[in-house]
Amino acid sequence: QSALTQPASVSGSPGQSITISCSGTSSDIGSYNLLSWYQQHPGKAPQVIIYEGNERPSGVSNRFSGSKSGNTASLTISGLQAEDEADYYCCTYASSTYIFGSGTTVTVL
Amino acid sequence: QVQLVVSGGGVVQPGRSLRLSCAASGFTFSHYTMVWVRQAPGKGLEWVTFISSDGGSKNFADSVKGRFTISRDNSKNTVYLQMNSLRVEDTAVYYCARDVSVNWFGPWGQGTLVTVSS
Repeated sequence: QSALTQPASVSGSPGQSITISCSGTSSDIGSYNLLSWYQQHPGKAPQVIIYEGNERPSGVSNRFSGSKSGNTASLTISGLQAEDEADYYCCTYASSTYIFGSGTTVTVL
Repeated sequence: QVQLVVSGGGVVQPGRSLRLSCAASGFTFSHYTMVWVRQAPGKGLEWVTFISSDGGSKNFADSVKGRFTISRDNSKNTVYLQMNSLRVEDTAVYYCARDVSVNWFGPWGQGTLVTVSS
């Protein structure tokens, strides 16, 4: 149950696009289309922004998009805004367990 | 509205026990798998356990297996996390969340801090 691998930090200027990667193995990300992404602001509970790899729950901005290739998933934030500054976590289901990514801090310059 | 309220956190000595509760409202609780996720201070999220809608299926992270148990009372719309033989490394904010079709977790409770310290 090792954590999925994410970059510790990603930064961008307002209006730019950034991409966060989430690397796993053929036993987790590579085997299931059950990858979700969560946004967490300081002191708050996480909130889902992407599920099933590329689906957005109602109310989530279409500036957030997800994709997957092989054992790696990605979250792209387009038109970066100050409110996007937060921690982001990927998460996948795998063999009756769930595995979170190590987390990425997004900084808006 | 859909809401989860977590209670039961606090300071406890190593080796002791603590029970967390998560009360649900605004949705048909008995239809959903529920999960507990924790976050150590300054660290990332860690899935702890899940329990299926009828309580018949459960699983635990290796880090808590044999020490933590999960249960639910669908008549009270509440899920419980019983934590035994607590260790310093169990110190974390504990969140409960609804599992939506094995796809994603939401909503999340507000979290409760468990501090294991002598």
